Amino acid sequence: GNSVTQMEGPVTLSEEAFLTINCTYTATGYPSLFWYVQYPGEGLQLLLKATKADDKGSNKGFEATYRKETTSFHLEKGSVQVSDSAVYFCARWTGNQFYFGTGTSLTVIP
Amino acid sequence: GAGVSQSPSNKVTEKGKDVELRCDPISGHTALYWYRQSLGQGLEFLIYFQGNSAPDKSGLPSDRFSAERTGGSVSTLTIQRTQQEDSAVYLCASSLDSGSGKTQYFGPGTRLLVL
Repeated sequence: GNSVTQMEGPVTLSEEAFLTINCTYTATGYPSLFWYVQYPGEGLQLLLKATKADDKGSNKGFEATYRKETTSFHLEKGSVQVSDSAVYFCARWTGNQFYFGTGTSLTVIP
Repeated sequence: GAGVSQSPSNKVTEKGKDVELRCDPISGHTALYWYRQSLGQGLEFLIYFQGNSAPDKSGLPSDRFSAERTGGSVSTLTIQRTQQEDSAVYLCASSLDSGSGKTQYFGPGTRLLVL
């Protein structure tokens, strides 16, 4: 089948800690992969994306690499800030549909 | 330029009533999507419109749900005979087209509560 599985939260980190949020997918073919972020009180917005194997998406200090061999697209940031507190959604695009993970809530404490 | 807008922002209704949720996509975006986000769940795809083509309704959970898109722009999602399990945030998104990797821009959502 087609699905996206991401690490369950909530995740709480201290400021400047290293962040990893795991995401794996199952799909036929070669989907495009995305991370969306939802800040408190705001709508979903694209954080980064990768459209083919070995591509690395990056934005705002976040990175994720499309790993076909492990069917993964883990989100990483070397030093989180309080302003990164949000819910992060991994997603894949195949055909005409986006499939989203259940979201991982991140809280960064000063 | 305005983003995707949705109305109402909040809707409280009684079980059994019909509700209409509206989405105004970004001007020029030909693709429009509806999703449902329930508490603790991911985004559930509901329906997708691309230009003048017949919509992809494969995600609609029951025949109580329907959607239309007039003039290739504004879309209305209708839920008939609402049930308590319909309570969720309904999100609309639009994109330039449906090609692989096209970025979707999301509206703020409509919070629906069915009592």
